[in-house]
Amino acid sequence: QKEVEQDPGPLSVPEGAIVSLNCTYSNSAFQYFMWYRQYSRKGPELLMYTYSSGNKEDGRFTAQVDKSSKYISLFIRDSQPSDSATYLCANLGTFRGSTLGRLYFGRGTQLTVWP
Amino acid sequence: EPEVTQTPSHQVTQMGQEVILRCVPISNHLYFYWYRQILGQKVEFLVSFYNNEISEKSEIFDDQFSVERPDGSNFTLKIRSTKLEDSAMYFCASTGTGGTEQYFGPGTRLTVT
Repeated sequence: QKEVEQDPGPLSVPEGAIVSLNCTYSNSAFQYFMWYRQYSRKGPELLMYTYSSGNKEDGRFTAQVDKSSKYISLFIRDSQPSDSATYLCANLGTFRGSTLGRLYFGRGTQLTVWP
Repeated sequence: EPEVTQTPSHQVTQMGQEVILRCVPISNHLYFYWYRQILGQKVEFLVSFYNNEISEKSEIFDDQFSVERPDGSNFTLKIRSTKLEDSAMYFCASTGTGGTEQYFGPGTRLTVT
């Protein structure tokens, strides 16, 4: 089983709010955890990724992985209307022991930040 | 900033027809992928490609599908005889030797009527 589950929302917050987006996954072998942002009818855009457990911060975005509970989170601080998009979590599979494997995506959470 | 490009942006075809979707990966990338996204569903992996051969494919990628790198820049996905259920957004992605970061193109919306 290599499923990634994500609440599709929609999630609607006021500008300036802290947003919390979450996923769970089933395969404990995953080591790389990605967050992509997708605007309507566009391709997924890589926001950031985390290796193994822990936190990673990039500006207003923080990615968090808890491998013990198989739980992935993305926090957006001081959210802006331009953050309105669908956020996809993904796990990176391996291919012959490398990081060149396929991505396993969640369904995506649709976020709207209103002014 | 280098990016993955895809053509056409929208393709309408009749059931049973062949379609070719085209991608130009980022120029120094060597690993290429096709994914698809049926409306309202997850992005799903189809196939990966390296050194002129398929590395990995999913159960979706059956004999109706094929991939090719016809020259040094293009990467194509061919669907031999399209079905209604092939209607989806098809995304090409590429990555360099590090492999962790896959960069996606804007997608081709395929509509099969």
